[in-house]
Amino acid sequence: DTGVSQNPRHKITKRGQNVTFRCDPISEHNRLYWYRQTLGQGPEFLTYFQNEAQLEKSRLLSDRFSAERPKGSFSTLEIQRTEQGDSAMYLCASSTGGGNQPQHFGDGTRLSIL
Amino acid sequence: AQTVTQSQPEMSVQEAETVTLSCTYDTSESNYYLFWYKQPPSRQMILVIRQEAYKQQNATENRFSVNFQKAAKSFSLKISDSQLGDTAMYFCAFIRTGGSQGNLIFGKGTKLSVKP
Repeated sequence: DTGVSQNPRHKITKRGQNVTFRCDPISEHNRLYWYRQTLGQGPEFLTYFQNEAQLEKSRLLSDRFSAERPKGSFSTLEIQRTEQGDSAMYLCASSTGGGNQPQHFGDGTRLSIL
Repeated sequence: AQTVTQSQPEMSVQEAETVTLSCTYDTSESNYYLFWYKQPPSRQMILVIRQEAYKQQNATENRFSVNFQKAAKSFSLKISDSQLGDTAMYFCAFIRTGGSQGNLIFGKGTKLSVKP
C-alpha cells in the first residue's frame, strides 16, 4: 500500500492558462474522488468515479472543470482558462466498495494563480 | 441537503489533558456514516474514527472516542491524554449510504493546538 499519490504538489500558473493534475489511487481501490479545499474551509466535493465511470459530476464548479479516469486506474482533473478564484488545494481520495468505506487522501496539489 | 457544522474554529489543550471537539449535522437520512479526519500542518488528511448511524455504541480508537447522539444530530470527538502530535485541523464529515452519492460532506474544521 503506497498510498494515494498526487502530482504535481504545487502548480503556479498565470490566469487564463490550462492546468492538469494527476491522481494515482491505492491500487485495489475502485472509487476515486476529487475535492477542493480553500483556506480555512473543509474539503468541497467535486466529482467521483467508480472504476472508469464518472458517477457524479454535477458538483464540478463550472464547465471549465473536467475529470477523467480512462482505464479505471489513475485520474486527471483539468481546469481550463484558470481564474484567480481557482487558487486552492485540490485533493484526491480513493476507497474500496461503497460510499461508507473510509476514503484515503493524497497530499493534494496546491494551485496558485498569478 | 446535508450540512455539517463545527462551531469551534480553534481550540487548545495542554499535553496529557483531555479535549472534546464538537460537531453537529443536519440530514433527513436515516442511514449514514460519520467520520472525524485529522489534517496535520502541510500533511495529508487521515481518518481518525468512524461511526455508523445505526449503531448505538460509540466508536473508540485508542485515545480517540466519540459521543454520538443521533436524536440531537451531534457527533463530538474526545481526545484523551493529548499528545503534541495531535496538533492538527480536525474535520467532521458525513456520508449517506445507498444510492449513487458517494461524497463526504465536511465541516469547516477545528484547529487544535496541543501545548507542552
